[in-house]
Amino acid sequence: ELKVEQNPLFLSMQEGKNYTIYCNYSTTSDRLYWYRQDPGKSLESLFVLLSNGAVKQEGRLMASLDTKARLSTLHITAAVHDLSATYFCAVDSPGGGGSEKLVFGKGTKLTVNP
Amino acid sequence: SAVISQKPSRDICQRGTSLTIQCQVDSQVTMMFWYRQQPGQSLTLIATANQGSEATYESGFVIDKFPISRPNLTFSTLTVSNMSPEDSSIYLCSVLRASGNTIYFGEGSWLTVV
Repeated sequence: ELKVEQNPLFLSMQEGKNYTIYCNYSTTSDRLYWYRQDPGKSLESLFVLLSNGAVKQEGRLMASLDTKARLSTLHITAAVHDLSATYFCAVDSPGGGGSEKLVFGKGTKLTVNP
Repeated sequence: SAVISQKPSRDICQRGTSLTIQCQVDSQVTMMFWYRQQPGQSLTLIATANQGSEATYESGFVIDKFPISRPNLTFSTLTVSNMSPEDSSIYLCSVLRASGNTIYFGEGSWLTVV
């Protein structure tokens, strides 16, 4: 059974600082996703990582994937208040060729303080 | 990105009643899924909505409680039957486009059972 673990679950940081959120998963998978959820809102797709060594960046967020270590990271650079949200990683459950059935981590609630 | 509309967006329901949630996508998609997000929790897959056949349910979810229909490639419904307060959750549909790698989520349906 695929398990996805995120840490930390809660993160409070100051504006301008850097930090990394980690996502570990237990079995081989074809794809890993990162989503953002604001309070009272649905999920917004941030990144999809498809292969070992994949790195994607959008603004102050950068995601990477190491399939051998079964680890993905979401790095935040020079945080700003607008990044405050809950971030989820999700892994495509084993099924070959991408089953598109996602197993989610518990989420990391990020608060960026002025 | 995919435009995914869900109805209702919010509802307050009486214990013991049933409610049907609709999910409409702006174009044909190969895969449609239904997820549940209980308050303060992560997302859990309920089932895969299969076009023209019975849905495929995940462990812990049964058809009698969560009947699903998918009459065509752009539309699906999820019914939450005989509701109890434990069913108070956000219910989200998600889709994978045939041409893309990203899984998109609908706006969510916030249900409160009293």
